[in-house]
Amino acid sequence: DTAVSQTPKYLVTQMGNDKSIKCEQNLGHDTMYWYKQDSKKFLKIMFSYNNKELIINETVPNRFSPKSPDKAHLNLHINSLELGDSAVYFCASSPTRGTYGYTFGSGTRLTVV
Amino acid sequence: TQLLEQSPQFLSIQEGENLTVYCNSSSVFSSLQWYRQEPGEGPVLLVTVVTGGEVKKLKRLTFQFGDARKDSSLHITAAQPGDTGLYLCAGRRDPSKLTFGTGTRLQVTL
Repeated sequence: DTAVSQTPKYLVTQMGNDKSIKCEQNLGHDTMYWYKQDSKKFLKIMFSYNNKELIINETVPNRFSPKSPDKAHLNLHINSLELGDSAVYFCASSPTRGTYGYTFGSGTRLTVV
Repeated sequence: TQLLEQSPQFLSIQEGENLTVYCNSSSVFSSLQWYRQEPGEGPVLLVTVVTGGEVKKLKRLTFQFGDARKDSSLHITAAQPGDTGLYLCAGRRDPSKLTFGTGTRLQVTL
């Protein structure tokens, strides 16, 4: 009974392609996030949505477009993939914007060749 | 500029040893959290500290929030192989955003 699930787990694609990563949470949380973890394991926030509304967009290239059809889903679409987009992408959710911790998915390892 | 610097970056110790991981910043945080991440998985929340000087214990793990709420430490007593993983501190200044530290990779061997 996975709390935050991401698909796919692994994604290998060529430069220039467009790809999507899906995320769903069954925790009833109001806020969802996308984080990027680089090769040095540094986690950096990309986007945050609260009740389907975008509240954080952290200087991410326009090629990255999040979409939240409802508060349980936050998908990430990436256009014109570049080599530098290779990383592990994590979806996370939290109840509110307070002191609650985040529940993370298990990540999507994206490799652009 | 990294807001939260962790030290050490890497730590390899033997079972039974004690260790401390530090998380430092020049910024004040309203709360700070510690996560552990294992290979192929997402980070898992260990603890949240909110008050300056607060100390929380989780079995053999002791977490402390600095008096000025700019730094934190994680102390593990009698480390075990199951403690192996990437430890991440994360601070909240903006209610909407959690900023993660640079990470400490811990390996505990038999």
